[in-house]
Amino acid sequence: DSGVTQTPKHLITATGQRVTLRCSPRSGDLSVYWYQQSLDQGLQFLIQYYNGEERAKGNILERFSAQQFPDLHSELNLSSLELGDSALYFCASSLGGDFEQFFGPGTRLTVL
Amino acid sequence: DQQVKQNSPSLSVQEGRISILNCDYTNSMFDYFLWYKKYPAEGPTFLISISSIKDKNEDGRFTVFLNKSAKHLSLHIVPSQPGDSAVYFCAAKENTDKLIFGTGTRLQVFP
Repeated sequence: DSGVTQTPKHLITATGQRVTLRCSPRSGDLSVYWYQQSLDQGLQFLIQYYNGEERAKGNILERFSAQQFPDLHSELNLSSLELGDSALYFCASSLGGDFEQFFGPGTRLTVL
Repeated sequence: DQQVKQNSPSLSVQEGRISILNCDYTNSMFDYFLWYKKYPAEGPTFLISISSIKDKNEDGRFTVFLNKSAKHLSLHIVPSQPGDSAVYFCAAKENTDKLIFGTGTRLQVFP
């Protein structure tokens, strides 16, 4: 158990809908990262927050947004969903900087 | 543009033998490399890392080798155990916190 929790574990929705994925980092970790893993692909970095502020952005679509709250949990919002958004979404947390990232179990999103 | 490549999607090794997983990268600015292990239905788990100023790092049965001139790193597992069967991801960092992952290699260790 990495100490990072993600909810929900599975999510099935329809095209055009909007969903919110939630992540609680390990106790004490200030950085939260979101990654997307599509079928047979590596994990693609989406976005990082550090202590409530956006720190780095990857190839995150404009339809996607994220935030980190004062209690350090984070939410990833995916809107106008398309079939191609079906993937595993992982959250990771770290103390920041050179410290290794600890990953949650992921949320499997299926868009029908 | 795949900056981190794992060209072998799968590897099968007998228990007790050495497993060698390979990773190539294209960005010479990467300064830190990591290996993660992933079991089904779980998130990746950190395994071992190496800074670009080193060429080897060892932790128990796991050793990572870095060849900067060839832009190549490898993970050696000796001896391999059935519990090592998982997908292994190579990842790299470039002066930021974000990780660039390879596509993974599925290792199967058979008795």
